[in-house]
Amino acid sequence: SQQGEEDPQALSIQEGENATMNCSYKTSINNLQWYRQNSGRGLVHLILIRSNEREKHSGRLRVTLDTSKKSSSLLITASRAADTASYFCATDGMGTSGSRLTFGEGTQLTVNP
Amino acid sequence: SQTIHQWPATLVQPVGSPLSLECTVEGTSNPNLYWYRQAAGRGLQLLFYSVGIGQISSEVPQNLSASRPQDRQFILSSKKLLLSDSGFYLCAWSVGRNSNQPQHFGDGTRLSIL
Repeated sequence: SQQGEEDPQALSIQEGENATMNCSYKTSINNLQWYRQNSGRGLVHLILIRSNEREKHSGRLRVTLDTSKKSSSLLITASRAADTASYFCATDGMGTSGSRLTFGEGTQLTVNP
Repeated sequence: SQTIHQWPATLVQPVGSPLSLECTVEGTSNPNLYWYRQAAGRGLQLLFYSVGIGQISSEVPQNLSASRPQDRQFILSSKKLLLSDSGFYLCAWSVGRNSNQPQHFGDGTRLSIL
């Protein structure tokens, strides 16, 4: 079964607004990552947050992690039309070998100019 | 800098035909390599991963196989394609033997089976 599940499935906002996407997972993790995918392209890594971290920032991105609720959120502030893409969370299960990740189904973000 | 190449970008194949998709990585040594499949509007399903030459782990039983003949080359194959093999195939690499490293993706191959 999918480890990470994003919510909402789709989000449409106006340029300049903030966008918040949520991810829930089921088993204990070592870390959680967020990726972005433009239509028809590969995924691009955005940010990684470790299980002992609660919040992380990178430019206009803010990620939070609540291991007690097994959830994470990705906030994009002051969104731009170029932020239009699908966003995926990915988790690694504790005890898994190597660096295997399980991806969620993604949130399709549309930023209208 | 590291780069990943995946080809072809699009492929249309008849049912029952063979398949070979190639992925190569430059600028790093002994990477972990991955093949994923993505259905339209969905997340990624891990098909195979490799931590070294000749070492392949399969995640799901299927009509596909993978090989790693060289350190930075990963090949996805099938002897006879099925309609259900259609999808967007992504190759990725990472470094290290733990999970605190990002994965880096190629631009994918869109495979259509007729």
